[in-house]
Amino acid sequence: NAGVTQTPKFQVLKTGQSMTLQCAQDMNHNSMYWYRQDPGMGLRLIYYSASEGTTDKGEVPNGYNVSRLNKREFSLRLESAAPSQTSVYFCASRDTGTDTQYFGPGTRLTVL
Amino acid sequence: KQEVTQIPAALSVPEGENLVLNCSFTDSAIYNLQWFRQDPGKGLTSLLLIQSSQREQTSGRLNASLDKSSGRSTLYIAASQPGDSATYLCAVSGGSTLGRLYFGRGTQLTVWP
Repeated sequence: NAGVTQTPKFQVLKTGQSMTLQCAQDMNHNSMYWYRQDPGMGLRLIYYSASEGTTDKGEVPNGYNVSRLNKREFSLRLESAAPSQTSVYFCASRDTGTDTQYFGPGTRLTVL
Repeated sequence: KQEVTQIPAALSVPEGENLVLNCSFTDSAIYNLQWFRQDPGKGLTSLLLIQSSQREQTSGRLNASLDKSSGRSTLYIAASQPGDSATYLCAVSGGSTLGRLYFGRGTQLTVWP
């Protein structure tokens, strides 16, 4: 039971490049979330997926797209990276029975 | 919009002390409140979850209380140890997005031997 896994762990991009952050959970949770964490700020919600086939915007969705490929996987795509997207990205899934959220180890992204 | 504030931002204590971390939130219409621990360069680990109808939860040396009407929660750590050194994050769940968490900026705790 790996919980929530994220790839890659680290990434450096140049402005304008694109990339996809991968997230997978093996706990059979319906709800999944993408957050970003910036120094001096709390985690902020980018996008979420209440169930397979549905996605919705969170607090800071601009510049991002998401795909809920199946119940396990929820990916985050940066189409044209900008320095303002330098951050640590966390994926989470939620146990609807206990309401507890489980977080992945994060992807540390730097955009030059 | 829900705002979550954590005080203090940083805390440094000697081993063995009992300590209290504070969290306040502006909108009392919450579903639950969670305390997380984050180690440097790592993800978040859930420590305690208090449902909005509950007053407190305990796990080992940790005790979290919730006063929903006043918008406050405290995390009490008994007999602190160097291994408790980490950042502690408070988050509340509420609003129109089911399961969405609103996070504070965290309290960075250092426990020295």
